Amino acid sequence: NAGVTQTPKFQVLKTGQSMTLQCAQDMNHNSMYWYRQDPGMGLRLIYYSASEGTTDKGEVPNGYNVSRLNKREFSLRLESAAPSQTSVYFCASSEPYSYNEQFFGPGTRLTVL
Amino acid sequence: AQSVAQPEDQVNVAEGNPLTVKCTYSVSGNPYLFWYVQYPNRGLQFLLKYITGDNLVKGSYGFEAEFNKSQTSFHLKKPSALVSDSALYFCAVSANTNAGKSTFGDGTTLTVKP
Repeated sequence: NAGVTQTPKFQVLKTGQSMTLQCAQDMNHNSMYWYRQDPGMGLRLIYYSASEGTTDKGEVPNGYNVSRLNKREFSLRLESAAPSQTSVYFCASSEPYSYNEQFFGPGTRLTVL
Repeated sequence: AQSVAQPEDQVNVAEGNPLTVKCTYSVSGNPYLFWYVQYPNRGLQFLLKYITGDNLVKGSYGFEAEFNKSQTSFHLKKPSALVSDSALYFCAVSANTNAGKSTFGDGTTLTVKP
């Protein structure tokens, strides 16, 4: 099993460009998450999907959109990238209940110039 | 609202010595508590969790954590540190009222020196 995979691993954008970060999991998990990690700020939840067909905002959703394409895939889109979105982005998945641990992908390092 | 505090940005210990990485939390309802480890340029890996029952939980790589309800703490411990334990450690909390969402602390960098 590959676990949680993310593409691309690295990306450089110019301000105003758009892009989609892809995430897929092969563990048959119902819940999926997108986080951003910034130095000294831990992980902050951008969006999550409790199950296929549902999405909800997290702590820092502004400037992002998501799509839960099917049970396996959960994409994150930046419509008009800004330098403040320079970060490392992690996708995670888990079974839906709060007592279940999350499984993380390797991350996408995004730089917006 | 739920929150996690990791009061130390950095913890330094000598190899072979015991280590403690501190975590305190705030949550409505019963807490579910987690520790994750992140090695450089990698995603987070689950170490251990507390759901209910015995306050001392054991996890991967010889780590353990003690749940203390009165002090709202969940400190990570290891009796004898290894250089390979050097990494970034995150504490996280969730509650049965919060639809599976976890809140993460800011992380503590553990450095184990030979």
